[in-house]
Amino acid sequence: EAGVTQSPTHLIKTRGQQATLRCSPISGHTSVYWYQQALGLGLQFLLWYDEGEERNRGNFPPRFSGRQFPNYSSELNVNALELEDSALYLCASSLDLYGYTFGSGTRLTVV
Amino acid sequence: GQQLNQSPQSMFIQEGEDVSMNCTSSSIFNTWLWYKQDPGEGPVLLIALYKAGELTSNGRLTAQFGITRKDSFLNISASIPSDVGIYFCAGHWAGGTSYGKLTFGQGTILTVHP
Repeated sequence: EAGVTQSPTHLIKTRGQQATLRCSPISGHTSVYWYQQALGLGLQFLLWYDEGEERNRGNFPPRFSGRQFPNYSSELNVNALELEDSALYLCASSLDLYGYTFGSGTRLTVV
Repeated sequence: GQQLNQSPQSMFIQEGEDVSMNCTSSSIFNTWLWYKQDPGEGPVLLIALYKAGELTSNGRLTAQFGITRKDSFLNISASIPSDVGIYFCAGHWAGGTSYGKLTFGQGTILTVHP
């Protein structure tokens, strides 16, 4: 069984640009979660999508947004990038609230 | 909002020693989870706890859900070099705006000397 797939692995952007990160969940998983892991910090909840709908979002500004497609894959968009957006962005999928399986993440660097 | 205080921040131990780490919260959780993260990878679930007082083992790992529902600990017995990594606790509160959101601790960095 393929795990959670994230692309790209690394992404370098300039301040003010937009970044798009992609996630493919495990087959059969309908929920996708996005977390931000800044250097030296724990994971911070960003967004939860289930069945194509945004179910919950964390304490992040509106320039962090996303969507879930009919095949349950998901995109995270970060607009107007700031230096402090540099972090590892982790996607997870699950069938329920607790059986999270994380991908290996996208390392976003804003210069 | 909910916050988790995880300690210790780092541990340096000899192979074969036992390890203990814990998390405390200012608010209660329905579920406690323990994850391990290796360099360049996403966290992997080690143990999930669903009831206050629950004690669960997974091989050399043992975790407990505190009676007050505000704390949890993880023990690793007879550590081996592959135990090296960052261990995270996470809690879930199935209520209100917290539904579906895991709150993570800051992590414990474990180094095992052969």
